[in-house]
Amino acid sequence: QQQVKQSPQSLIVQKGGISIINCAYENTAFDYFPWYQQFPGKGPALLIAIRPDVSEKKEGRFTISFNKSAKQFSLHIMDSQPGDSATYFCAASRRAGSYQLTFGKGTKLSVIP
Amino acid sequence: DAGVIQSPRHEVTEMGQEVTLRCKPISGHDYLFWYRQTMMRGLELLIYFNNNVPIDDSGMPEDRFSAKMPNASFSTLKIQPSEPRDSAVYFCASSFPTGKGTEAFFGQGTRLTVV
Repeated sequence: QQQVKQSPQSLIVQKGGISIINCAYENTAFDYFPWYQQFPGKGPALLIAIRPDVSEKKEGRFTISFNKSAKQFSLHIMDSQPGDSATYFCAASRRAGSYQLTFGKGTKLSVIP
Repeated sequence: DAGVIQSPRHEVTEMGQEVTLRCKPISGHDYLFWYRQTMMRGLELLIYFNNNVPIDDSGMPEDRFSAKMPNASFSTLKIQPSEPRDSAVYFCASSFPTGKGTEAFFGQGTRLTVV
């Protein structure tokens, strides 16, 4: 059973455009929702994370929007740059107890000049 | 700290051979995770340890897979015997949960090819 569903699988955006990646989760016990960024040949690295007590978190050009009632969250990349081209994973976990992350399947983002 | 260190970076082996992947977590981190990444299945959690003790190995696909953590600074993932469908990138990650949410720090991965 896939607990975190991510879409789209791939995304092509023009430089300067907005990239939007969506995720949905099933387990209501999740209370921590990070996004990881992975460049080719590298391991994933934490990009930004949100807790369900807020509906939005912004760090620079990256924003997470969170809808607790719909059990959905999304990553928005404003003013997308070619250097943002990477694979993005959403994830979910519980802050207490088991700390394992459940990942979505990833979105390969290509930002074209 | 140099981050999570995995070795080897690449491994090519023949079907039926034993493969051992190695991981050195970040010093002070008390959780260690082994993940497998494939195009079809994405990032799958295989097993994780807390204070060197295996907590959940339900993601280990078969008895051919085993993992150990003999001390806080070293872990291995062993596949014996290896099969072509084991070809994937294997990641080790470590973390130190703070109660506010846990950041997992990943190594660079081991790309395993079984021919």
